[in-house]
Amino acid sequence: GENVEQHPSTLSVQEGDSAVIKCTYSDSASNYFPWYKQELGKRPQLIIDIRSNVGEKKDQRIAVTLNKTAKHFSLHITETQPEDSAVYFCAASKGSASKIIFGSGTRLSIRP
Amino acid sequence: DTEVTQTPKHLVMGMTNKKSLKCEQHMGHRAMYWYKQKAKKPPELMFVYSYEKLSINESVPSRFSPECPNSSLLNLHLHALQPEDSALYLCASSQAAGSGANVLTFGAGSRLTVL
Repeated sequence: GENVEQHPSTLSVQEGDSAVIKCTYSDSASNYFPWYKQELGKRPQLIIDIRSNVGEKKDQRIAVTLNKTAKHFSLHITETQPEDSAVYFCAASKGSASKIIFGSGTRLSIRP
Repeated sequence: DTEVTQTPKHLVMGMTNKKSLKCEQHMGHRAMYWYKQKAKKPPELMFVYSYEKLSINESVPSRFSPECPNSSLLNLHLHALQPEDSALYLCASSQAAGSGANVLTFGAGSRLTVL
């Protein structure tokens, strides 16, 4: 089955700097790659996603890149702010109503 | 309505109790999911329902019994649980087809403690 690996497990950056989180997946049939943000005590919320027919997607300060050949995708957050502090999960899935498998998570801390 | 509502928010039960977790959405989503999340871990898939039919069971022990009475409701019946089953149980929904098929909307979760 699908396996998603995520690095790093913790990341601390200075406010205003950029943060990058990387994930790899094992199943070449996976075609949908979302990123979820989970603040302490809250539900996971989708922040950005990318499908296999696209190499890059941006939404204001966040962007995701996908390399299908290497089977890896990354989340980029620029101009980090205190409210970006949270746990970020990457995920991968194929098809509708299918398994959406999460990476192990990255705890991002923004230093003032 | 763009929310998934879960009840109860907190549940404490003994190992011999029978209880149920409930999940409701009115977004017209036809796929619904149960995930289990332990502290500092990612959500772990338990069950997927598609068009009210169980489509995925991730080898979950039979002490967890899902039920989908209609397209808006999803239940998780709990019986004879173990202390290690204590966790946050997240319900999610998505469209069953089309471009939004994989986009999960999560509920706030039910935090379960088994004594």
